[in-house]
Amino acid sequence: DAGITQSPRHKVTETGTPVTLRCHQTENHRYMYWYRQDPGHGLRLIHYSYGVKDTDKGEVSDGYSVSRSKTEDFLLTLESATSSQTSVYFCAISLGSSGNTIYFGEGSWLTVV
Amino acid sequence: GIQVEQSPPDLILQEGANSTLRCNFSDSVNNLQWFHQNPWGQLINLFYIPSGTKQNGRLSATTVATERYSLLYISSSQTTDSGVYFCAVGSSSGYALNFGKGTSLLVTP
Repeated sequence: DAGITQSPRHKVTETGTPVTLRCHQTENHRYMYWYRQDPGHGLRLIHYSYGVKDTDKGEVSDGYSVSRSKTEDFLLTLESATSSQTSVYFCAISLGSSGNTIYFGEGSWLTVV
Repeated sequence: GIQVEQSPPDLILQEGANSTLRCNFSDSVNNLQWFHQNPWGQLINLFYIPSGTKQNGRLSATTVATERYSLLYISSSQTTDSGVYFCAVGSSSGYALNFGKGTSLLVTP
């Protein structure tokens, strides 16, 4: 258990509504990540954080924003959800940057109808 | 980013058989990890192996960084080995890992 909690674990929402997913860690790791997983694409990086209030974009960041006001929490927001954002979202943490072991949360299943 | 290709994309084995999964990558890496995603969707870290060989029970992995590939060996497979195996790599110029599309393994009784 890597001490990562994602919430909500499952959510159905309507097109055009805002949605926030929360990732909470108890490990005090500096680096946190949001990935999405879709059939045929594997896992793709949305945004990552390398410290409090330090965030940057990943491969598929359009339509998403993030915030990190505390070490332990990394929030992913869909400002206006679209059906293309139906996916499984995984939060991950690592002690260091790309050269360190990464651990995943259990995932959040989001359906946009 | 670094391109990651995994093969085969799908694999069906009978319980007790051995298998080798391959991961090719397009550039130098300072991080390579293998993950198993179980049928419930949970991603479990199997190996952190940017180079060399490691073993953990029936699983072992070898990365030949100079030739840009890694292999995951599963011996005496069990039905609980079913799921998707992902290879992910990172470089010193980046912060996160790039994932391959995975190998889907089904082990039948």
